[in-house]
Amino acid sequence: DIQMTQSPSSLSASVGDRVTITCRASQGIRTSLAWYQQKPEKAPKLLIYGASTLQSGVPSRFSGTGSGTDFTLTISSLQPEDVATYYCQKYNSDPLTFGGGTKVEIK
Amino acid sequence: EVQLVETGGGLIQPGGSLRLSCVTSGFTGTTNYMSWVRQAPGKGLDWVSVIYSGGSTYYADSVKGRFTISRDNSKNTLYLHMNSLRAEDTAVYYCARGTTDWDAFDLWGQGTMVTVSS
Repeated sequence: DIQMTQSPSSLSASVGDRVTITCRASQGIRTSLAWYQQKPEKAPKLLIYGASTLQSGVPSRFSGTGSGTDFTLTISSLQPEDVATYYCQKYNSDPLTFGGGTKVEIK
Repeated sequence: EVQLVETGGGLIQPGGSLRLSCVTSGFTGTTNYMSWVRQAPGKGLDWVSVIYSGGSTYYADSVKGRFTISRDNSKNTLYLHMNSLRAEDTAVYYCARGTTDWDAFDLWGQGTMVTVSS
């Protein structure tokens, strides 16, 4: 099975900072990679699919890049409402594995 | 309104059985693929099972042989039948929708809590 590894597991940044989260697949998955945001006590929300396509309604400060095995999620200017845990997920084949998550906090 | 609503969670003893339901509304579920994802307290997201538009099903190794995913298109409902429950199955269970097979999950339910404890 393909493993998904996220880093870092947590980070603390100031409002306005650029934040980057990485996700690595143990084998190539083309661009079948999604990013989700989960706020405390809430269901996950789709941010990006196809590695780089922004879901409708998601602010443009979020962006995704990558293909094959290495992917990044970038928040260009961190806002207080971005405090959440972020997960990557592969969906090209079963199992539809999630990364371990990255908790983003405000410094 | 397009939404997913899960029900059926609760407290169950180890070894017991439970059936979760996920009612879909605002869209025709037969053309979507649907999945169950769980989250143990304080932990990350853990994919459990999927049913594709054609009816094929797949399971995580941790639940294979114990859980069964199914759907009743006439009732717009997705199910997860859980047998031989263990303490490590304790989690919030979410249902999620993919617009087409092999797609990201663009719609999630609010989740239902399953607690396995004596």
